[in-house]
Amino acid sequence: ETGVTQTPRHLVMGMTNKKSLKCEQHLGHNAMYWYKQSAKKPLELMFVYSLEERVENNSVPSRFSPECPNSSHLFLHLHTLQPEDSALYLCASSQDFSNQPQHFGDGTRLSIL
Amino acid sequence: QKEVEQNSGPLSVPEGAIASLNCTYSDRGSQSFFWYRQYSGKSPELIMFIYSNGDKEDGRFTAQLNKASQYVSLLIRDSQPSDSATYLCAVNRGTGGFKTIFGAGTRLFVKA
Repeated sequence: ETGVTQTPRHLVMGMTNKKSLKCEQHLGHNAMYWYKQSAKKPLELMFVYSLEERVENNSVPSRFSPECPNSSHLFLHLHTLQPEDSALYLCASSQDFSNQPQHFGDGTRLSIL
Repeated sequence: QKEVEQNSGPLSVPEGAIASLNCTYSDRGSQSFFWYRQYSGKSPELIMFIYSNGDKEDGRFTAQLNKASQYVSLLIRDSQPSDSATYLCAVNRGTGGFKTIFGAGTRLFVKA
């Protein structure tokens, strides 16, 4: 139990579907992150939120839309995805957004048909 | 040049041996260094973090940092088959540097 919970664990969707990934942290942290992990590639930072304000959008296509309603919850809304978007999507949190370690959720394994 | 570079492996060591995992980074301003372990199909799990030059020990794990050489390593003593995983090195610039850069990871295989 890492204190960061992601749902769903697995998701299969067609390219025209709309779905959302959810992340909740119970650690009292102020920063939350979305990462994409593809096979044999480094973790790719997608978005960073600090105290519900987006502080980083790492050139992510607009078909990915993040939402952070409060410091404990983070969503990633998906729309019109491409097959190359199939990957493991990881949520993480940290005490603040500088030099603190990040704690990861178990991830959502996303497959685009 | 990659921002954080690791040998992809696999690194194979016999049970009981010392496993040495290495990482180099390109940003001289980096201040914070992390090692994560990731089992297949699982999420990364923090093992160690180090901020100052020198060694930091925690149980069977020792992190070593040399900022002059832009080099950080992880030593695992008395390696066990359960240590078989991918080890990710991560580097952060520190104050105001919220972007942590991850290496692609080194696969470690500990033979029983």
